Amino acid sequence: AQSVTQLDSQVPVFEEAPVELRCNYSSSVSVYLFWYVQYPNQGLQLLLKYLSGSTLVESINGFEAEFNKSQTSFHLRKPSVHISDTAEYFCAVSAGTGNTGKLIFGQGTTLQVKP
Amino acid sequence: DTGVSQNPRHKITKRGQNVTFRCDPISEHNRLYWYRQTLGQGPEFLTYFQNEAQLEKSRLLSDRFSAERPKGSFSTLEIQRTEQGDSAMYLCASSLAAGGLGDTQYFGPGTRLTVL
Repeated sequence: AQSVTQLDSQVPVFEEAPVELRCNYSSSVSVYLFWYVQYPNQGLQLLLKYLSGSTLVESINGFEAEFNKSQTSFHLRKPSVHISDTAEYFCAVSAGTGNTGKLIFGQGTTLQVKP
Repeated sequence: DTGVSQNPRHKITKRGQNVTFRCDPISEHNRLYWYRQTLGQGPEFLTYFQNEAQLEKSRLLSDRFSAERPKGSFSTLEIQRTEQGDSAMYLCASSLAAGGLGDTQYFGPGTRLTVL
């Protein structure tokens, strides 16, 4: 079975500071990894995903995540956050028997950017 | 592209009543998923459709829950004899299968169910 652990439930940070949201996964098979973001009163949106190839993946709004197979991690980073980055962030894996593509999510991390 | 839509957005019901939610996926998306999200938790997988076929159901989906996707278009999720523990946000997502497991799932805004 697969599982995802997000190590921090809340991460407060000041505007323009760097941030790292941690994600570890457990799986006996190869996985695909995702970060979704949920802004207040909005639905989940894909931020970035790792399928194969380069272990460093980037989003259009400055976030990046690095797949580390040996540490089974997929931490999300941004060098300088904005107030508008305040949201709930979910790490997820896609794996399993057959080909369902179902996502297994972590518990979520609330990023609170302070002015 | 109108995105994934869900109706209603909010539903308040009394314990023991039946409720039905609807999800309209992005047109031509052949995969449709239902998830449930409780406060402070990430979404949990409930069930999955490939076109009109329901191919997987989670153990979370008790026999009070039933989902359909007639003609492979919209989907409905029905909960019979609701219980207070059913109170949650019910999320629908759709994707276009590209033959692998890395398809991007697009989520709807969810239906928030409150069982009194």
